Amino acid sequence: GENVEQHPSTLSVQEGDSAVIKCTYSDSASNYFPWYKQELGKRPQLIIDIRSNVGEKKDQRIAVTLNKTAKHFSLHITETQPEDSAVYFCAVGGVGTYKYIFGTGTRLKVLA
Amino acid sequence: GAVVSQHPSRVICKSGTSVKIECRSLDFQATTMFWYRQFPKKSLMLMATSNEGSKATYEQGVEKDKFLINHASLTLSTLTVTSAHPEDSSFYICSGAGGNTGELFFGEGSRLTVL
Repeated sequence: GENVEQHPSTLSVQEGDSAVIKCTYSDSASNYFPWYKQELGKRPQLIIDIRSNVGEKKDQRIAVTLNKTAKHFSLHITETQPEDSAVYFCAVGGVGTYKYIFGTGTRLKVLA
Repeated sequence: GAVVSQHPSRVICKSGTSVKIECRSLDFQATTMFWYRQFPKKSLMLMATSNEGSKATYEQGVEKDKFLINHASLTLSTLTVTSAHPEDSSFYICSGAGGNTGELFFGEGSRLTVL
């Protein structure tokens, strides 16, 4: 089955700096890669996603890049703000299946 | 966006009792719902896939007789933890698939504590 690894497990950055979180996956048939943000005690919320036919997607300060050959994808947050502090999960699945395997999570702390 | 509501948010029960957690899609029909378990500072572990009107599909290692899942309507799925034990204490989250965007929407989660 699919195996998803996520690094780093914790990440501290100064406000205004960039943060990068990476995930690798094993199943080359996977074609949908969402990222979720979970604040303490709250539900995970989708922040950005990418499909396998695209190499990069950007939404304001957030971007995701995908390398299908190497089977890894990354979340990039620029100009970080304290409210970006949360746990971020990558996920891997198939378009329309909704059955995702989640990464182990990255706890991001943005220091003011 | 679409809303998935989960209830109760917190529940404390005695060992040996059963606890039911409800997951409702409020403004869309969720043909498929998923149940996850999340340990402290850990990832979301998929427990089962629930399809309306059919039996749930459980992930390997998840006891179907322990975690009963019912998806009787397009807007409601329930998870019943039967004969709960302290090791069942965890954060349980549901999600619903559907809506106009095809996005997966999560409930608020239910924190179960078994004494």
